[in-house]
Amino acid sequence: DAGVTQSPTHLIKTRGQQVTLRCSPKSGHDTVSWYQQALGQGPQFIFQYYEEEERQRGNFPDRFSGHQFPNYSSELNVNALLLGDSALYLCASSFSWAGVDTQYFGPGTRLTVL
Amino acid sequence: GQQLNQSPQSMFIQEGEDVSMNCTSSSIFNTWLWYKQDPGEGPVLLIALYKAGELTSNGRLTAQFGITRKDSFLNISASIPSDVGIYFCAGTNTNAGKSTFGDGTTLTVKP
Repeated sequence: DAGVTQSPTHLIKTRGQQVTLRCSPKSGHDTVSWYQQALGQGPQFIFQYYEEEERQRGNFPDRFSGHQFPNYSSELNVNALLLGDSALYLCASSFSWAGVDTQYFGPGTRLTVL
Repeated sequence: GQQLNQSPQSMFIQEGEDVSMNCTSSSIFNTWLWYKQDPGEGPVLLIALYKAGELTSNGRLTAQFGITRKDSFLNISASIPSDVGIYFCAGTNTNAGKSTFGDGTTLTVKP
């Protein structure tokens, strides 16, 4: 049983560009959350998707948007990239009906903005 | 917004020693979580705490949910080299999402 998978592993973009990151949840999980982890810091919650809708959102600008597909996989889109968007982007999946201890994290996508 | 203060920021210990780290918050949480993150990987859940005062163990790890619901600590007994990594505390008031993380404690274990 594959865990949470994310693609790509690494990505380099320039300021002003747009990026799309992808996440496949652990088998059976129906909820996907995205986190941004800057170097030397803990993950920060961006948003969560359930039933193809954004259910919760953290303190991130509208440049950050997402999507969840019928198979529960998810995308994170960031527009008009800034240098400060350089970070590890983590996806976590879980069961909507269960506690937070069912949440599993993927290995992340390392985004570098030049 | 909610902030978690995690201390110490880093620890250098000898193999076999016990370790203690803690986390305090300006806000109340209903659930406290402790994660470990290794290089190139996402955080892995070690212990989840659901009740104020709860003391939970997972092998050599023991964690407690503070009575005020604003703090938690994690102890590791008899440390071994594979304990090396970054330990994060996190608090949440919702099911399966929107966790607030501390900035981590980096643990180095010298053989």
